[in-house]
Amino acid sequence: NAGVTQTPKFRILKIGQSMTLQCAQDMNHNYMYWYRQDPGMGLKLIYYSVGAGITDKGEVPNGYNVSRSTTEDFPLRLELAAPSQTSVYFCASSKGQFTGELFFGEGSRLTVL
Amino acid sequence: GQQLNQSPQSMFIQEGEDVSMNCTSSSIFNTWLWYKQDPGEGPVLLIALYKAGELTSNGRLTAQFGITRKDSFLNISASIPSDVGIYFCAGPRSNTGNQFYFGTGTSLTVIP
Repeated sequence: NAGVTQTPKFRILKIGQSMTLQCAQDMNHNYMYWYRQDPGMGLKLIYYSVGAGITDKGEVPNGYNVSRSTTEDFPLRLELAAPSQTSVYFCASSKGQFTGELFFGEGSRLTVL
Repeated sequence: GQQLNQSPQSMFIQEGEDVSMNCTSSSIFNTWLWYKQDPGEGPVLLIALYKAGELTSNGRLTAQFGITRKDSFLNISASIPSDVGIYFCAGPRSNTGNQFYFGTGTSLTVIP
């Protein structure tokens, strides 16, 4: 059972470079999320989507963009990487709102130098 | 933004001891969730609470939804080495339920 798959697992970027973190889920979940995790800070919501074609900002959206062209995929785009975006990024999905059970990927560790 | 404060920030305990941690919010939550994150992995849901005053168990874990709806508690009995990890509380913004806020986490180390 694949669940939520994130790629890449590790990436080093130079300041100003762009990249896309990929996220795919095979559970037919409508809701998908991107979080970043900094040491001692918990998880902060970047963007979320309630279905294909619908996305919305979370707590910390600046410097990121997302798209949701299919139910399965929810890529996160960094246009101009900055050192402040060094973090571990987690993609998650859930069946519906209010249920609270988010299924997380294994994370993507990004370092911007 | 919404702040969920967890305490303690970290714990070092002997195997077999019981553990208690809590989570407080400045706002009312209608749902409280407890997740565990193993090293190098994404968080996994342990317990979900949907009603003020609710007490729910999952094996050696017991969680309670505070009656004020601004706090929640997680207890682990007879800790074992595999309990090591970071424990997060989480809850949805009440008006939409689409955005889940996570607490700052409690890091647990179990000494064999």
